[in-house]
Amino acid sequence: DSGVTQTPKHLITATGQRVTLRCSPRSGDLSVYWYQQSLDQGLQFLIQYYNGEERAKGNILERFSAQQFPDLHSELNLSSLELGDSALYFCASSVASDPKEQFFGPGTRLTVL
Amino acid sequence: GQNIDQPTEMTATEGAIVQINCTYQTSGFNGLFWYQQHAGEAPTFLSYNVLDGLEEKGRFSSFLSRSKGYSYLLLKELQMKDSASYLCAVRDRDSSYKLIFGSGTRLLVRP
Repeated sequence: DSGVTQTPKHLITATGQRVTLRCSPRSGDLSVYWYQQSLDQGLQFLIQYYNGEERAKGNILERFSAQQFPDLHSELNLSSLELGDSALYFCASSVASDPKEQFFGPGTRLTVL
Repeated sequence: GQNIDQPTEMTATEGAIVQINCTYQTSGFNGLFWYQQHAGEAPTFLSYNVLDGLEEKGRFSSFLSRSKGYSYLLLKELQMKDSASYLCAVRDRDSSYKLIFGSGTRLLVRP
């Protein structure tokens, strides 16, 4: 158990819908990272927040957005969902803004039907 | 841009040694990571190399050559539980907070 929690574990929804994935970092960690892992694309970095501020951005679609709240938990919002958005979404956290030692949560499996 | 290549699959025998290679072509470089990921589970950190050479940690070792854009992960005394995917990731110097992952190498350990 890495200490990073993600909810929900599984999510099944329909195309066109909007969902919110939640992540609570390990106690004391200020950075949160979001990744998408689909079967054909491997693990893709989406976005990073450090102490509430966006720090780095990867290949995140405009339909996706994220934020980190004052209590340091983070949410990833996915809207206008498409079949191709079906994937495992991982959150990771680290103490500093450096991803040298980041710990991954168990992931949320999103299925878009 | 970044390009990271790893073999898709490898098979090895319990008790043996296996080397998983990773080559990268990047516009910048600020460290290379190896992660282990069992099917359906989260990746777990194995090693981090930023300078050339070999880093040993128990049964696992990782090597880096920055001039060749090359790294390998060496697993010794293979156990059945080592069957997993092994992900190579490079930290982008342009934005040192970003990790770029390879597609991973699926390792199957046979008895």
